[in-house]
Amino acid sequence: SAVISQKPSRDICQRGTSLTIQCQVDSQVTMMFWYRQQPGQSLTLIATANQGSEATYESGFVIDKFPISRPNLTFSTLTVSNMSPEDSSIYLCSVGLSKGQEQYFGPGTRLTVT
Amino acid sequence: EDQVTQSPEALRLQEGESSSLNCSYTVSGLRGLFWYRQDPGKGPEFLFTLYSAGEEKEKERLKATLTKKESFLHITAPKPEDSATYLCAALASGTYKYIFGTGTRLKVLA
Repeated sequence: SAVISQKPSRDICQRGTSLTIQCQVDSQVTMMFWYRQQPGQSLTLIATANQGSEATYESGFVIDKFPISRPNLTFSTLTVSNMSPEDSSIYLCSVGLSKGQEQYFGPGTRLTVT
Repeated sequence: EDQVTQSPEALRLQEGESSSLNCSYTVSGLRGLFWYRQDPGKGPEFLFTLYSAGEEKEKERLKATLTKKESFLHITAPKPEDSATYLCAALASGTYKYIFGTGTRLKVLA
């Protein structure tokens, strides 16, 4: 398994601003993912964070809105840009120790946009 | 289209009242079926992986089973601390992306 931490754990932001969420893993991992979980909903994959190359975004998510960095095999950031109240969600990072295996999730970042 | 459906959406049990949660999947070439537990305000916690029909996994009061169309999470003699949302996810062949169900919210009353 892996131990994953996220910062911040929660934040309240004003519309039009941006927030960067950090995800730190205690060991080197191949796969890192970013999810969004809207209130009362299940998890939606935003993108796969690729080390050394651009992230792979899912349909409905674009780099200008959700830029992602992954400078090494233990760390990634997700920025939520130009926020609106519709961006209020829990944002989760997860890691897969190898393709096809279980993913382990961080504790999440609860974002409220006013 | 690949899809995962969980039922019921919510379930209330008395302590000690056993029951089962259902996860139906339509996935091209299932590579794995995963069960998670999620407590309010926390990230999902991994419980089980099932790879082929007929496989079973157990952990304390939980047992997960898999057929070619669905998976069950059986909860035997539940306790209030088993209250949580239980999520299942499927992984199709040729991809690394999970398809999540919408979850079952379980409440166990003392």
